[in-house]
Amino acid sequence: NAGVTQTPKFQVLKTGQSMTLQCAQDMNHNSMYWYRQDPGMGLRLIYYSASEGTTDKGEVPNGYNVSRLNKREFSLRLESAAPSQTSVYFCASTRLAGANEQFFGPGTRLTVL
Amino acid sequence: GIQVEQSPPDLILQEGANSTLRCNFSDSVNNLQWFHQNPWGQLINLFYIPSGTKQNGRLSATTVATERYSLLYISSSQTTDSGVYFCAVERGTGGFKTIFGAGTRLFVKA
Repeated sequence: NAGVTQTPKFQVLKTGQSMTLQCAQDMNHNSMYWYRQDPGMGLRLIYYSASEGTTDKGEVPNGYNVSRLNKREFSLRLESAAPSQTSVYFCASTRLAGANEQFFGPGTRLTVL
Repeated sequence: GIQVEQSPPDLILQEGANSTLRCNFSDSVNNLQWFHQNPWGQLINLFYIPSGTKQNGRLSATTVATERYSLLYISSSQTTDSGVYFCAVERGTGGFKTIFGAGTRLFVKA
């Protein structure tokens, strides 16, 4: 049981490049989340998917898009990366949004030059 | 939007000491969680505690939803307790948007 997995672990981009962060969970959870964590700060919600086929904006959605590919997978896309998007990105999942504890992946450290 | 405030922001303890971390929130919530982020960045869920009291080993948590605060107790602290402790809440109304506090950074000295 791998829990929540994220790829890649590290990534360096140049300003304007695009990339997709991948997240998968094997716990049969319905809800999934993407967060970013900037140095010395708490996590901020980018997007979430309460159930397969739905996505909703979080606190800081600008510059990002998401896809809930199926029940297991939830991807985050940066279409045109900016230095302000340098951060650590965490994916999380839970059985039912608002009703259960969230489980986190190991994170992706992204640097945009 | 809902505000989540954690105190103290930083805490240094001698191994074996006890501590209490506090989380205040500005509106009613239907979900409150405590997390520990270890020095390697991994986030571990400690408690899902929208109300009441729970205990897990040396850790316990109490949430008083009517007064909009939660407390995390750490007893007989160990060096492995070092890291950052986050409180996170969800309102439920208007979507399930999780809001994290800024965290309490704990260092336990041997």
